[in-house]
Amino acid sequence: QSALTQPPSASGSPGQSVAISCTGTSSDVGASNYVTWYQLNPGKAPKLMIYEVNKRPSGVPDRFSGSKSGNTASLTVSGLQAEDEADYYCSSYVGGNTPSYVFGTGTKVTVL
Amino acid sequence: EVQLVESGGGLVQSGGSLRLSCAASGFTFSRNWMTWVRQAPGKGLEWVANIKEDGSERYYADSVKGRFTISRDNAKNSLYLQMNSLRVEEAAVYYCVRDIGWGAFDTWGQGTMVTVSS
Repeated sequence: QSALTQPPSASGSPGQSVAISCTGTSSDVGASNYVTWYQLNPGKAPKLMIYEVNKRPSGVPDRFSGSKSGNTASLTVSGLQAEDEADYYCSSYVGGNTPSYVFGTGTKVTVL
Repeated sequence: EVQLVESGGGLVQSGGSLRLSCAASGFTFSRNWMTWVRQAPGKGLEWVANIKEDGSERYYADSVKGRFTISRDNAKNSLYLQMNSLRVEEAAVYYCVRDIGWGAFDTWGQGTMVTVSS
């Protein structure tokens, strides 16, 4: 199972929006309602930001939103804030006889 | 407070074995699928294996199938990962993770470092 493809980096100024893509195939993202997004900060445990494509866990600001079209999922951060600077990873359920999960390649978001 | 604490990492030679443990607290351990995820230095996250609430189903990444075994002891609120025939490229931080449903990993441990020497 190959990793999902994400852009290595994305950036925006405070207050702007940034969108991160996560491209898979018809066997993973395209076939799944179970796409998740995680935020990784150095020295901290990864944080769940979005699950089931567009659902936010309690405590995650509504500035974070998720969507999916075909084989590509997206995470949008609106009203960018300094504390949003982090690495972001997507993940998708992969069904079949031996179900599994696959992560994306990761995107470093920089707040300019 | 929901908490996962891994242990058992360390230095092992290529081809060797290691057993990771994860102690869970603050939630009803037996009600969740549990997962191991790893991250090699400078690399991305990689799903390794998961196990159903009662241990009746286990799934593995192709890269570890036949060499790693995930298990759990619900009486002890513990998750395990037996790793055999370790390879240099499997050096990574291994995370114990709670799955709240279909890969929504809401709680991560602090990770335990596994180093594999040649």
